[in-house]
Amino acid sequence: DVKVTQSSRYLVKRTGEKVFLECVQDMDHENMFWYRQDPGLGLRLIYFSYDVKMKEKGDIPEGYSVSREKKERFSLILESASTNQTSMYLCASSPPGLGQPQHFGDGTRLSIL
Amino acid sequence: EDQVTQSPEALRLQEGESSSLNCSYTVSGLRGLFWYRQDPGKGPEFLFTLYSAGEEKEKERLKATLTKKESFLHITAPKPEDSATYLCAVRGYQKVTFGIGTKLQVIP
Repeated sequence: DVKVTQSSRYLVKRTGEKVFLECVQDMDHENMFWYRQDPGLGLRLIYFSYDVKMKEKGDIPEGYSVSREKKERFSLILESASTNQTSMYLCASSPPGLGQPQHFGDGTRLSIL
Repeated sequence: EDQVTQSPEALRLQEGESSSLNCSYTVSGLRGLFWYRQDPGKGPEFLFTLYSAGEEKEKERLKATLTKKESFLHITAPKPEDSATYLCAVRGYQKVTFGIGTKLQVIP
């Protein structure tokens, strides 16, 4: 079974802090993704990566950056956290191929105070 | 722009009462339609991929079907443990687009 592990289930940070969310997958998948999920808005893509050191902007990249130094690890960075970034953050991975499903971690519930 | 609309938003069933969830979509160049189950406070769990109209997939009490405009997730004789939010997503040329989901509650 695919295992996608997110480093924290719950995280509380203060406005202006730099926040790191970590994600590791154990299936040697090329593709990795970061989403945020908010009530009534569904899943929105922040950034994705098709390979090590590669990154592409999703639909809502403003205020975020990412890092992929190793194939199994994809990090999301909130450069200067703001209260409107309070959300559930989900990491996913998938093998190559357009029709391949994404497999998700259990999410990080991030609160910015 | 690719779009996914799921209905109903919420569904309450008695245990054993079969029903269907709907996923209507518009997409440029369907590469796959996915169904997920999401429990509260957890990430989506992959259930099925459907690739072409007429295709069907089954898993326990769940059966997913696909036409050119919509997909149905049929739940036969549901149990309380089937309570969850069910998400539909489509993969077009550019990206994956998710619906907001149907929240299913099965009452004992």
